[in-house]
Amino acid sequence: QSVLTQPPSMSAAPGQKVTISCSGSSSNIGSNFVSWYQHLPGTAPKLLIYEDNRRPSEIPDRFSGSKSGTSATLGITGLQTGDEADYYCATWDSSLSGGVFGGGTKLTVL
Amino acid sequence: QVQLVQSGAEVKKPGASVKASCKTSGYAFSNYGFSWVRQAPGQGLEWMAWISVYGGNTDYALRFQGRVTMTTDTSTRTAYMELRSLRSDDTAVYYCARTSRSGDNVAFDFWGQGTMVTVSS
Repeated sequence: QSVLTQPPSMSAAPGQKVTISCSGSSSNIGSNFVSWYQHLPGTAPKLLIYEDNRRPSEIPDRFSGSKSGTSATLGITGLQTGDEADYYCATWDSSLSGGVFGGGTKLTVL
Repeated sequence: QVQLVQSGAEVKKPGASVKASCKTSGYAFSNYGFSWVRQAPGQGLEWMAWISVYGGNTDYALRFQGRVTMTTDTSTRTAYMELRSLRSDDTAVYYCARTSRSGDNVAFDFWGQGTMVTVSS
């Protein structure tokens, strides 16, 4: 049981937009920055979003992040087949004094 | 460019220990810390622990406290994670991740390729 809650799976057609939610509590998302990761099987996870809504320079602006209260959202526009991956949210939990990940969302682009 | 290269796959018996390494290049080693994150077969990512290079501060997930030891070697720019008293459910891919941390705000900005650890009798 993950501390952060994500939908297990989502699907959308190429070119469409998808939003992936991540729900937490006041001790994690509610008080600390959220980051998002893309994980393709057999590869290293890749940072997509940090500090709730900032993108590393190499990440295209099709990827966006937002946060409100104890929930965060990853948005992906102009979906491509190459976006098929597992997506994870993460943050620090101040009560647990440790990092926490969501359970991951498997995105299918069909 | 930033690179994190991890040690190769390991097969261990229950009760044994494993030590994974994470050799880095391309950035100021002491300015960041490392987190260790694992992924068991068919499961999601699980944060295990964090260590700062400067000062050696650590934080551990409760379930790994007392079983995990992390170290860093600035001369070789390498981070290490040792997991003791291995059980079959420790079978997983173990990742090192460079960690930017300011207070309770963290981001895992670069990752190693992973070390597969198989625990089997």
